[in-house]
Amino acid sequence: AQTVTQSQPEMSVQEAETVTLSCTYDTSESDYYLFWYKQPPSRQMILVIRQEAYKQQNATENRFSVNFQKAAKSFSLKISDSQLGDAAMYFCAYRSVQGAQKLVFGQGTRLTINP
Amino acid sequence: NAGVTQTPKFRILKIGQSMTLQCTQDMNHNYMYWYRQDPGMGLKLIYYSVGAGITDKGEVPNGYNVSRSTTEDFPLRLELAAPSQTSVYFCASSDDRGTYEQYFGPGTRLTVT
Repeated sequence: AQTVTQSQPEMSVQEAETVTLSCTYDTSESDYYLFWYKQPPSRQMILVIRQEAYKQQNATENRFSVNFQKAAKSFSLKISDSQLGDAAMYFCAYRSVQGAQKLVFGQGTRLTINP
Repeated sequence: NAGVTQTPKFRILKIGQSMTLQCTQDMNHNYMYWYRQDPGMGLKLIYYSVGAGITDKGEVPNGYNVSRSTTEDFPLRLELAAPSQTSVYFCASSDDRGTYEQYFGPGTRLTVT
C-alpha cells in the first residue's frame, strides 16, 4: 500500500517571503499522480497543484511550484511571495492511475503567515 | 453549479444512535468517495463507489455502510455511533476520464458524546 509522509507539522513564514513544504511517499508503482491540497479554516479542500509522475517537468501554478524528485520519492511545494491568504493546512496526496483513483493523504502541514 | 453538496453541516449524536450523512453531486461523475478527517490529521478513505450499484471498502470502513442507487447520491450510514467516530466527513466525486480530479464537498462535522 502507498503511504505519504509530511514531516513538518507546522511551518511559518514572513509575508512576501518564500516557504517550502516537504512531502515524501512510498510506492512500487511507476506511474501515478501527486497533489497538494489547501484546507483553509473553512474546511473546504482546494486543489493547489498536480504533478503527473511520467512528466519530468515540475508543475507550476502562479506562485506555487513543486520540486518532484521521482527517484527520491520526494514532492515538495514552494510558495513564493507568501500572502496572508495562504495561511492554511496543506496536504500532500498520492493517487494511483489504476483502479478507482483513490487519494492517499499525508498528515498535513499547518502554514502560518506572519505579517 | 452546485458541485458536491453534503448535509448536514454539523451534527451531535449520542452513543448508540444512528444517522445518515447525505452526499449529492450534479456533475454526472461515476466515482464517489467518503473520507474522514480526525483532528490534526489527513483524510482517510472510508468507502468508495465506481458507479451506481457498486461500492467497496476503503482504509477505515468499520462502523459505516454505504449505498449507491443513483449516479448522483452516495449516502453514508453510521450505525451505533461511537466516540471514535467523532470526525469531519468529506464526500468527493471525480470523473472517470481526463484528469480524474476529485471535487470535495464542504464537510460534515460530527460529534458523538
